[in-house]
Amino acid sequence: NAGVTQTPKFQVLKTGQSMTLQCAQDMNHEYMSWYRQDPGMGLRLIHYSVGAGITDQGEVPNGYNVSRSTTEDFPLRLLSAAPSQTSVYFCASSGWGEQYFGPGTRLTVT
Amino acid sequence: AQSVSQHNHHVILSEAASLELGCNYSYGGTVNLFWYVQYPGQHLQLLLKYFSGDPLVKGIKGFEAEFIKSKFSFNLRKPSVQWSDTAEYFCAVTSLNNNAGNMLTFGGGTRLMVKP
Repeated sequence: NAGVTQTPKFQVLKTGQSMTLQCAQDMNHEYMSWYRQDPGMGLRLIHYSVGAGITDQGEVPNGYNVSRSTTEDFPLRLLSAAPSQTSVYFCASSGWGEQYFGPGTRLTVT
Repeated sequence: AQSVSQHNHHVILSEAASLELGCNYSYGGTVNLFWYVQYPGQHLQLLLKYFSGDPLVKGIKGFEAEFIKSKFSFNLRKPSVQWSDTAEYFCAVTSLNNNAGNMLTFGGGTRLMVKP
């Protein structure tokens, strides 16, 4: 059982570049979300989705886009990377209650 | 908006010492409460959760937490820590009364170091 998978594990971008962080889950969960983890700030919600075709903004959405065309996939797009987006990104999914987290993507923007 | 506070940012203990990590949240409605652990280099894993019922919740690896509604608290405890408990611990809350479904609000985390 793969659970929640994320790719890539590591990424280095230059300022202004764009990229997509991939997230997939095989548990048929309706809820999916993206968080970023920064030292001393815990995890902060970027965007979330309550089902295919439905997305909404979280606490820190600026500079990120998401879409949810299928139940399984929830990609996170950085439109024009900035050094402030250097962070560890976690994708999560849940049916109701407990959230299951992916292994994370460590992104560095130079 | 709801928020979660973890008062201890760094805790250093010797093996066999008792542990209590504080967590307070600010939200007056119905909430679900969680403690997650992140071992070095790994992703978040659920330690325990509270949805309803007995306010004293037991989780994995000997951890427990007590929900005190009047104090808006959900402190994590372990009677005797081990070196392998070295990790970062996150308290999280989800509200049942907003449109975000069960999206989590996290505290800032507490880094625990257990000295052998």
